[in-house]
Amino acid sequence: DTAVSQTPKYLVTQMGNDKSIKCEQNLGHDTMYWYKQDSKKFLKIMFSYNNKELIINETVPNRFSPKSPDKAHLNLHINSLELGDSAVYFCASSQAGQGPDTQYFGPGTRLTVL
Amino acid sequence: DAKTTQPPSMDCAEGRAANLPCNHSTISGNEYVYWYRQIHSQGPQYIIHGLKNNETNEMASLIITEDRKSSTLILPHATLRDTAVYYCIASAAGNKLTFGGGTRVLVKP
Repeated sequence: DTAVSQTPKYLVTQMGNDKSIKCEQNLGHDTMYWYKQDSKKFLKIMFSYNNKELIINETVPNRFSPKSPDKAHLNLHINSLELGDSAVYFCASSQAGQGPDTQYFGPGTRLTVL
Repeated sequence: DAKTTQPPSMDCAEGRAANLPCNHSTISGNEYVYWYRQIHSQGPQYIIHGLKNNETNEMASLIITEDRKSSTLILPHATLRDTAVYYCIASAAGNKLTFGGGTRVLVKP
């Protein structure tokens, strides 16, 4: 069983379109994240949700809207896609607590905006 | 999160130990040292973490200096499948992980 899964794996779309990426984790974790890895391979956090509440929002354009229908899912909706949105997007999850939390990452979604 | 510094790349021989250094001279007392790796085209994978003491698990060992200003990740017997980018991160529990450039490790036969 895949711990953290993302769909789709590849997404090719035109500028100006709206698209969504889905993430699901079956680890029972209460915290989920979205990261963006650009062409230079730098991995940057975008959002973090804990128990369906937004915890971290790293000055991401408001065209990006995460939605967490329940603790096991964190979807990423992107409006009016731009060329610069082309990247690999990774979802991750962890269990928050008093100690260090290990994050488990999904396989990534490669988004190409033409 | 404290800044970490790693060499951009290193090669190691298959079957030998790989020692990956990391400097985190401004680390705070409550910040852990985490190591993750990213194999090509895959999501990052957790390896190990530590606070003060040395740690070992089935994947690697983590040696943290007494002053906590640096650490070394040891892959005891590197295999070709260990070729990846290795990230050292200093972060307090519950905080976000800030990934730097990492060390690109190439294991050669």
